[in-house]
Amino acid sequence: DQQVKQNSPSLSVQEGRISILNCDYTNSMFDYFLWYKKYPAEGPTFLISISSIKDKNEDGRFTVFLNKSAKHLSLHIVPSQPGDSAVYFCAASGGGSYIPTFGRGTSLIVHP
Amino acid sequence: NAGVTQTPKFRVLKTGQSMTLLCAQDMNHEYMYWYRQDPGMGLRLIHYSVGEGTTAKGEVPDGYNVSRLKKQNFLLGLESAAPSQTSVYFCASSQLRTGASYEQYFGPGTRLTVT
Repeated sequence: DQQVKQNSPSLSVQEGRISILNCDYTNSMFDYFLWYKKYPAEGPTFLISISSIKDKNEDGRFTVFLNKSAKHLSLHIVPSQPGDSAVYFCAASGGGSYIPTFGRGTSLIVHP
Repeated sequence: NAGVTQTPKFRVLKTGQSMTLLCAQDMNHEYMYWYRQDPGMGLRLIHYSVGEGTTAKGEVPDGYNVSRLKKQNFLLGLESAAPSQTSVYFCASSQLRTGASYEQYFGPGTRLTVT
C-alpha cells in the first residue's frame, strides 16, 4: 500500500520546455515533502523541499507546488536542460515520524 | 568533508555467504538509514537508527541485521545471502528534524550481486 505515489514512471521533454513531475500522497499526517534527484551509479541528492504551511517553494529553475486538499505536489523545472535528465524521487514525512516515505521515482529525459 | 561513504562499492556473493556493508558519515548526524533500490520499486527502507546504540526496522528488514556502535558508523549485515538480496544498497544520514530543513544525505551506493 503505497503512501507516496509517482504514477508516471517516465517523462520525456524537449530542452528549454517545462518539465512537470507529479506526486500524490494518501497520509494526511504528512507535513514535509522533499524531492531528490538521482543520476545513474550515484546516490540520490536533495533538490528542494516544502513544508505543509506553504503552497509553493522556489529555488532557481526548480519550483515545488503543494495542494494539500488534493494531497498532491508537483515539481516544475523551467527551462529544462539535458543535465536535468535523471530519476526524481518524491518523499514525505510527518505524523510524528521523521522517517520519510519515498515514491518509486520518475525518470526524466530532456532531449537536446 | 567526505559526507557519507560506503564500503565496498561492488560485491559478488554466493548464496549462503555472509557479508557486512559499512557506512560512515562525518557530519555528526543523529539519524542513519539503509535502503535498497530495485528496478521499479524506488527506495525501500531496510533499517534505520535514531542515535548511537539504537536501531529499528524499516519496510523490508527480513534477512538483514544492523548495528550502530558509533555515531558515525552504521553497519548492514547479511547473515546468509539470497539471490533476492541482489540490489543496490544506499546508506543515508540526516540531522534531527529542526526548523524547515530536513534532508537526507546519501552515499554513492553498493552494488551487490548474489549468485
